[in-house]
Order: sequence, then C-alpha cells, then structure tokens
Amino acid sequence: KAGVTQTPRYLIKTRGQQVTLSCSPISGHRSVSWYQQTPGQGLQFLFEYFSETQRNKGNFPGRFSGRQFSNSRSEMNVSTLELGDSALYLCASSPGWVLGLAGETQYFGPGTRLLVL
Amino acid sequence: KNEVEQSPQNLTAQEGEFITINCSYSVGISALHWLQQHPGGGIVSLFMLSSGKKKHGRLIATINIQEKHSSLHITASHPRDSAVYICALAPIQGAQKLVFGQGTRLTINP
Repeated sequence: KAGVTQTPRYLIKTRGQQVTLSCSPISGHRSVSWYQQTPGQGLQFLFEYFSETQRNKGNFPGRFSGRQFSNSRSEMNVSTLELGDSALYLCASSPGWVLGLAGETQYFGPGTRLLVL
Repeated sequence: KNEVEQSPQNLTAQEGEFITINCSYSVGISALHWLQQHPGGGIVSLFMLSSGKKKHGRLIATINIQEKHSSLHITASHPRDSAVYICALAPIQGAQKLVFGQGTRLTINP
C-alpha cells in the first residue's frame, strides 16, 4: 500500500496570505489528523477528521481550518498567515474505527514545511 | 505542568550502549505511542502500548499504567538509531487526539 502523501512538501508565503495543504491517507484509512511542529512548541494536535466530519479539535485559532472529502483526502487551510505559523505540518492517517481503550497506530506523512516571511 | 514529560531531553552515547528513554504522564490514557523522527522530519510509529511490554528487534517498550510511566529501550545501539524519540499519549477522552512529549534527541557515536 502507498503511504501517506502530503503536498506540497515545501512552501514559502508572506504574512497575510493564505495557504492550503493537502494530505492523501493510506487507502482504506478514514481518519486523518493534522499536527503542527515548531522548535519551540514541539508537536501539537490541530484537528482530526473521520468520514468528512471533524471529530476532534486542538487549541488553535479559527484561522486554521480543515476539511475531508468523501475519498478521505484532507486539506487544511491557514488564513491570514503570521510569522509564527512557520512550521512543519504533518498529517497522519489511521483506520479510525477504534476509539477509546485500544487506540490505533497512526501513519505519518512526510510533512509540509511552511515558511512565512 | 505538562501532561507528558520525557527524559532526558538529549542523550549522547557510544555505539553498542544500552539506551533508556523515559516518559511520564499525568492523564488517563487509552494508549501510549513511541515515535521516531529522523532529520528531515519523517515520523515513524515504533510502538503502541496499552499495557505490558512490546519488543521489535533491538527496541523494547514498556508501560506501567498504575505508575503512569513508560520506557523505550534500545539494545546494542547503532549510529542509525540517532533520531528524536517522541512519546505520545492517546487520552481516554478524545483518543484520536495525540498529546506529545517534547522528544528526546538521541545521538549514537561510532
């Protein structure tokens, strides 16, 4: 099976612009989670989608949004970019069926490195 | 106080040494994950634990649910083990939402 893919891999934007990142999960996986990684804050959870519905959300401002399509592909959007949004954005997919006690292994994509100037 | 604390933050060792990385947490969990991140950013899931111990090659992960503590051990360490190791919790509430430790940067010198 192909792994999780993310596009683009690298992106340079300027403050005030908006950006859309894309994630294609492993075939058959219905859960896609998005994470932000910065040197100062480490990895932080943004949101998780399952069957086109946002199921969990982290503590990020409303400028960060996402969606999931019927084929489980997901996009995240950041509007009105700020310098502090420069980060590695990772998505991860999992089957999504198991909640609660068991947990699930998440498979990470290579990330999109965003630089805001 | 962070929900997840890893120690040490940095670890340098010689090839062949036995390595231990620790993870302590303060919330109820459905599972704990150990992740490996190499330079360049790619993250690989090494283990997912909800109890006991798991072994994969030279890697061993243990968890003590009562003490809220997990360890990752590497036996016969090798320079290719150099990476950042991250402990991540799947809390009981919101199990699809991982909460991450700050990571342990491991460097193995030949």
